[in-house]
Amino acid sequence: KAGVTQTPRYLIKTRGQQVTLSCSPISGHRSVSWYQQTPGQGLQFLFEYFSETQRNKGNFPGRFSGRQFSNSRSEMNVSTLELGDSALYLCASSSDGHRSGNTIYFGEGSWLTVV
Amino acid sequence: AQKVTQAQTEISVVEKEDVTLDCVYETRDTTYYLFWYKQPPSGELVFLIRRNSFDEQNEISGRYSWNFQKSTSSFNFTITASQVVDSAVYFCAPREVIFGTGTLLAVQP
Repeated sequence: KAGVTQTPRYLIKTRGQQVTLSCSPISGHRSVSWYQQTPGQGLQFLFEYFSETQRNKGNFPGRFSGRQFSNSRSEMNVSTLELGDSALYLCASSSDGHRSGNTIYFGEGSWLTVV
Repeated sequence: AQKVTQAQTEISVVEKEDVTLDCVYETRDTTYYLFWYKQPPSGELVFLIRRNSFDEQNEISGRYSWNFQKSTSSFNFTITASQVVDSAVYFCAPREVIFGTGTLLAVQP
């Protein structure tokens, strides 16, 4: 069974640009969550999508957005990049999230560097 | 409000020592799950264990053991006879939206 796949793995962007990250969940999983991980802030929840609907949202500015497609694949977008957006972005998939006792499975992440 | 605390930011041990990682989850919920994840240097978080609030039995799996005490909201994780490959950041998480700040475990040879 294939795991969670994130692309691209590494990317470098310039301040002011925008970036789109992609996540393919485990087959059959309908919940996809996104996280930002930085040395100073730890693992911060961005948002969760379930069956194409945003079900939860963390405390991030509107520059961070996401969507989920009918095949459960998800994308997140960050517009007007700032230096502080440099981080590891992790995607996780599950049947229905922790609330139902389901384990969430993480991808390897996308390392974003903003210069 | 719900709060998960991993008070230990970094722990350093020598190989073969036992080490315990602490996690405290404060909540008014009477039923909940708690998860532990391991993040090696490669970056991918790996699921270790799930426990529910009804099950306070300690569990042992190989070198890993877990001690859950609902009365103190603590969910601790012990590695027996640590190995260098155990070096990683360990996170506890009651929900997908709340992760602890993580404990960096360094096992020295």
